[in-house]
Amino acid sequence: EPEVTQTPSHQVTQMGQEVILRCVPISNHLYFYWYRQILGQKVEFLVSFYNNEISEKSEIFDDQFSVERPDGSNFTLKIRSTKLEDSAMYFCASSAALRDSVNEQYFGPGTRLTVT
Amino acid sequence: KNQVEQSPQSLIILEGKNCTLQCNYTVSPFSNLRWYKQDTGRGPVSLTIMTFSENTKSNGRYTATLDADTKQSSLHITASQLSDSASYICVVISTDSWGKFQFGAGTQVVVTP
Repeated sequence: EPEVTQTPSHQVTQMGQEVILRCVPISNHLYFYWYRQILGQKVEFLVSFYNNEISEKSEIFDDQFSVERPDGSNFTLKIRSTKLEDSAMYFCASSAALRDSVNEQYFGPGTRLTVT
Repeated sequence: KNQVEQSPQSLIILEGKNCTLQCNYTVSPFSNLRWYKQDTGRGPVSLTIMTFSENTKSNGRYTATLDADTKQSSLHITASQLSDSASYICVVISTDSWGKFQFGAGTQVVVTP
């Protein structure tokens, strides 16, 4: 069964460094998403991406963040100048459609980012 | 502000028993409501998706209900199993923000032998 994959599973970085989290969405999907979940808190939407551009973004997704689909398979989240409060689990998700109200959204296993 | 509120925050049930989780939302205009199961350290997995016109939907031992008039949903787990121990998350999508999923905080369910 197709699945969303994410690498690395765990990333440790020093405050102020840049990190890139990678995701491979399901191959025939067109919509991609990033979420984060701070330990013990709820899942928070960061950004959705379609047709090589951002569809929607939350207040969290400021200039520190950027997303890119560098090739036909990868979808990346870049966090510049990481802060301690960026420590969280980051989930990538993909779906085949957006405006179809019953489309399934599939989540990856997550990347745990630890900023020290 | 669009919100999704879940209750209880956590519950403990004996294996084999039933339980019901609640979700109230203020998201508008409403498109659909989803229930996800999230095991510790893993990504959420979809259980059900319900649109405005659907009142009940089942997925095995999970049954979700939706009352779009009162903006309430419930998830009923029948004959719980140890593997049901997880966080159950209610997610609501607005037609105004198709790509922006509004997550509830989840209900942490612990099933004990």
